Amino acid sequence: AQTVTQSQPEMSVQEAETVTLSCTYDTSESDYYLFWYKQPPSRQMILVIRQEAYKQQNATENRFSVNFQKAAKSFSLKISDSQLGDAAMYFCAYRTPNSGNTPLVFGKGTRLSVIA
Amino acid sequence: DSGVTQTPKHLITATGQRVTLRCSPRSGDLSVYWYQQSLDQGLQFLIQYYNGEERAKGNILERFSAQQFPDLHSELNLSSLELGDSALYFCASSVGGRDTQYFGPGTRLTVL
Repeated sequence: AQTVTQSQPEMSVQEAETVTLSCTYDTSESDYYLFWYKQPPSRQMILVIRQEAYKQQNATENRFSVNFQKAAKSFSLKISDSQLGDAAMYFCAYRTPNSGNTPLVFGKGTRLSVIA
Repeated sequence: DSGVTQTPKHLITATGQRVTLRCSPRSGDLSVYWYQQSLDQGLQFLIQYYNGEERAKGNILERFSAQQFPDLHSELNLSSLELGDSALYFCASSVGGRDTQYFGPGTRLTVL
């Protein structure tokens, strides 16, 4: 079974600084998707970024970028120019696109605090 | 706003009772997923429907059941509720099995 591990339960960053959240996963599949979701205090799950395993180029969305290391099964999230609104729980998630069975497998999450 | 709606937002009930949570997917999405988020178990997949048919089951208890209707909305039924069922229940939808899942705002269930 696939597993996702987030080894940092809590992280903090100064406003305007850069922070990196770690995620590793275990799978025997070659085709899969990886995601980072953000859960602010409102508890809404918000998609931050998505990476397809077959793409070598790291995904980027404005201030958010990933470092995808397929051989190492590592998928870290870098947040640049951190803002107070970035404070949230961040969940790394994995999904294999097999037909008929495509739920997300989540890590335990990393709570990010942003210090003004 | 993801376009996925869930009702009710909050639900408080007693042990032994039965409740129904409702989810309307984004327009055009055929797949609906239910997840449970609790403090001790984290985010866990419960069940998936695609165009009215059950497609995958996760850690869903026998006391729980779900269905997806012809208009594609879905309901999650929780019966014989226990204190441990208190959690945030999310619905997510996607166009198909390979697409990104978008989450609704969740229903917070409290069992007293």
